[in-house]
Order: sequence, then C-alpha cells, then structure tokens
Amino acid sequence: AQKITQTQPGMFVQEKEAVTLDCTYDTSDPSYGLFWYKQPSSGEMIFLIYQGSYDQQNATEGRYSLNFQKARKSANLVISASQLGDSAMYFCAMREGLGGGSNYKLTFGKGTLLTVNP
Amino acid sequence: KAGVTQTPRYLIKTRGQQVTLSCSPISGHRSVSWYQQTPGQGLQFLFEYFSETQRNKGNFPGRFSGRQFSNSRSEMNVSTLELGDSALYLCASSQATGRQETQYFGPGTRLLVL
Repeated sequence: AQKITQTQPGMFVQEKEAVTLDCTYDTSDPSYGLFWYKQPSSGEMIFLIYQGSYDQQNATEGRYSLNFQKARKSANLVISASQLGDSAMYFCAMREGLGGGSNYKLTFGKGTLLTVNP
Repeated sequence: KAGVTQTPRYLIKTRGQQVTLSCSPISGHRSVSWYQQTPGQGLQFLFEYFSETQRNKGNFPGRFSGRQFSNSRSEMNVSTLELGDSALYLCASSQATGRQETQYFGPGTRLLVL
C-alpha cells in the first residue's frame, strides 16, 4: 500500500491566488514527521516545511502553510499569493519516527506539478 | 552555513562500468541519506548513514553500496552499471533538534548510462 498519496498529478493557479496541494499518508507509527519539498526543473529538492505528528499547531513558513489533519491523515500544503517562480514539482514526504534515534528515511509521494499562470 | 554539496553534478558512463558519487552534508549533520529519482519509479530510498554506520537500506541490488567517513561525508558506489541506473541521485543531510527536524538535499548528480 502506498504510504504517501498525492492525488493531483497537475494543478494550475493564477498568479497571486492561493492554492492547496493535497497529501494523504498512511502509518501505524504514532511518531512521524511530514515534509513538503519543491523541485524546479533544475532538479534540486528544496525544503519548504515540516510538521511533526505531535505538533498541535499547523506549521507555517512564509507563504507556505501545512494544513495538518491528523484524524484524516492528511497534510495539505497551502501556498498563498502564488508567484510565477512557484511553478515546479511539489513532493510530500513522510519519515516514520522522530528525533535522532531512528533512521531518517523519507517516503515520497509521486508529486504534483504546479503551474502558475500570469 | 554551507549547504549540501554533491559531486560530480553530471556523469556519463557506459554499461558495465562503475561509478562513485560523493555527498558532503551540512556542517554538524551526522546523517546522510541517498535517493534515486527516475521518471518511472519516482524517488526511492537507497540507504542512510549515521556516524559512519548504515542504519537502513532500501530495496536495491548489492551493486549499490555506500559508506560514510568520520567527517560525515558520504560516498555511494554503483558497480556494473546498467542502463536502468540512469537517474538523478540525491543525497539528504539530516538533523533533528528538539521538535524540529531538517532534511536538506544537495543539487543531485545526474547519471547517464549508455
């Protein structure tokens, strides 16, 4: 079974509008972390935001926020005020385990290609 | 702080050859993980090293190996290259501090096997 599911292969958004990229996950481990990465066509994987499973508040980093709904096992990325430079592939990833005591392996979804239109 | 560096950035090899890729993590990070990215399979975990010890390994054949040095720099080696090994190889430098965790990736090495 897939551990990370991103159901939107592609999304379009108008510049300056907000967009939500969906991510659902599956794990039986109560301790886990959720990540979002941006990958432009250059190939570099850029860290955007992190949410730990015990964090009570949704994570925010500038224009990025993570809508964490633990009971639904969803971790959607919200990008506010989209910019042309936001056009890229976006990956949701999960690490089972927290802290430095267990391995840092990430499991990735298949990604969502976001296109921002002027 | 300097970011994660990977060398070389691009590589062309022929079938049967071997290749060694290098990754230098962020200063102070003791964990390095390696991933293979292909259009068909997406991002797949290869292995993770922490303080010179391999803590986890993905489902790849024994041709794929790695190691980590005392300065946390890591190398991965692929022997007897196959056409299907053509991919973007990414390494991640990781650290967990308190309730925060960071996993930063390097720019990747693009390997083409002819």
